[in-house]
Amino acid sequence: ETGVTQSPTHLIKTRGQQVTLRCSSQSGHNTVSWYQQALGQGPQFIFQYYREEENGRGNFPPRFSGLQFPNYSSELNVNALELDDSALYLCASSTEDEQFFGPGTRLTVL
Amino acid sequence: GENVEQHPSTLSVQEGDSAVIKCTYSDSASNYFPWYKQELGKRPQLIIDIRSNVGEKKDQRIAVTLNKTAKHFSLHITETQPEDSAVYFCAASIGGNYGQNFVFGPGTRLSVLP
Repeated sequence: ETGVTQSPTHLIKTRGQQVTLRCSSQSGHNTVSWYQQALGQGPQFIFQYYREEENGRGNFPPRFSGLQFPNYSSELNVNALELDDSALYLCASSTEDEQFFGPGTRLTVL
Repeated sequence: GENVEQHPSTLSVQEGDSAVIKCTYSDSASNYFPWYKQELGKRPQLIIDIRSNVGEKKDQRIAVTLNKTAKHFSLHITETQPEDSAVYFCAASIGGNYGQNFVFGPGTRLSVLP
């Protein structure tokens, strides 16, 4: 198993609410990426943080935002939740090329 | 932007046979291609990767080949075992100022029949 941890494991929210997901990166990894994995699909890149700054963003609207802290842990915030936001949210930490995923947070939006 | 296609979407093989999964990518700037294995309810796990300056890489029963000219890369699993059953994802790097980000293929569900 990797040293990447995520919380919470599961979360249920209703449409229109806001959610914050958390990730602790593997020791020595200063880059954190977030992915959304819908059921039956591959992960889709949301954004990446390096040294507390956003370093690339995928095709996701501004209501998806993030933070990285000095200890390299990270948060993903999603505002105005929609039903289609239901998915597994994966955090991955990396150095250079290799990325290692956390266990994910399963978000269900009702 | 980068687009990654992956075939087949499902693959069933008999235990001991070989399995091959193929991916194509569109962006010639991509230079790193990892493969992930995801078992049901678990995180994707990196199983092998290849960089664009290498044509082939092998790790025990798993090998990956890359054809930069044709923009395709393949995963080869030999002597398959039931524990190889999982969904496999290929990915292509899309760069970044401080490390790579990836576009993933849609996945291949591999079933190894005993």
